[in-house]
Amino acid sequence: QAALTQPASISGSPGQTLTISCTGTDIDIGTYNYVSWYQQHPGHAPKLLIYDVANRPSGISDRFSGSKSGTMASLTISGLQAEDEADYFCCSYSGSSTPVLFGGGTKVTVL
Amino acid sequence: QLVLQESGPGLVKPSETLSLICTVSGGSISSSGYYWGWIRQAPGKGLEWLGSVYSNGYTYYSASFKSRLNISVDTSKNQVSLALRSATPLDSALYYCATPGTTVAGTRYFHHWGRGTPVTVSS
Repeated sequence: QAALTQPASISGSPGQTLTISCTGTDIDIGTYNYVSWYQQHPGHAPKLLIYDVANRPSGISDRFSGSKSGTMASLTISGLQAEDEADYFCCSYSGSSTPVLFGGGTKVTVL
Repeated sequence: QLVLQESGPGLVKPSETLSLICTVSGGSISSSGYYWGWIRQAPGKGLEWLGSVYSNGYTYYSASFKSRLNISVDTSKNQVSLALRSATPLDSALYYCATPGTTVAGTRYFHHWGRGTPVTVSS
């Protein structure tokens, strides 16, 4: 069982806006602004989309945005495109004995 | 441009040690000031962080693996190594090496990833 909780799957039509949630606890997401998000296409390594809650690395589309409220972080994909169909993972720094925690992943399907 | 490449035996027998190497090119581990992490992904499953090592050799481990995991750097070869003792079939996974590629990130995110190397634990 993953340390951070994500919905297993979510779907949307092209052009729509999707939001993926990532629920943690008071000792990870609730305390640290160190949430990151990764996109993974089948057969490929994960790709960093968002770091430190809301920052995008160079080259990442501004259709991807991140936010946090309390113990929940969110990744929003606006203007959904076919190429966005992939698995998405959240990650948070934690004050527990395991300092890096991943979510179980969310499969995004573009209808 | 940092390039990370994982390598190791694709097949490990149960109870043996699972040993992998991550070879780094495009930058020097010793002068980087970066953390270098190992993350695995079982078939059809999510990502699981195992541990990270700083360029000076300081390590952080997942509590789930701390008793049987060793991660180290070999600056002379520009490599990061992983040794997971007492392997079981549950350790079968694709193993990734990754780094934030910046000194300010610590262990909190991973910007550069290798392609991963598959490992099967089976007799």
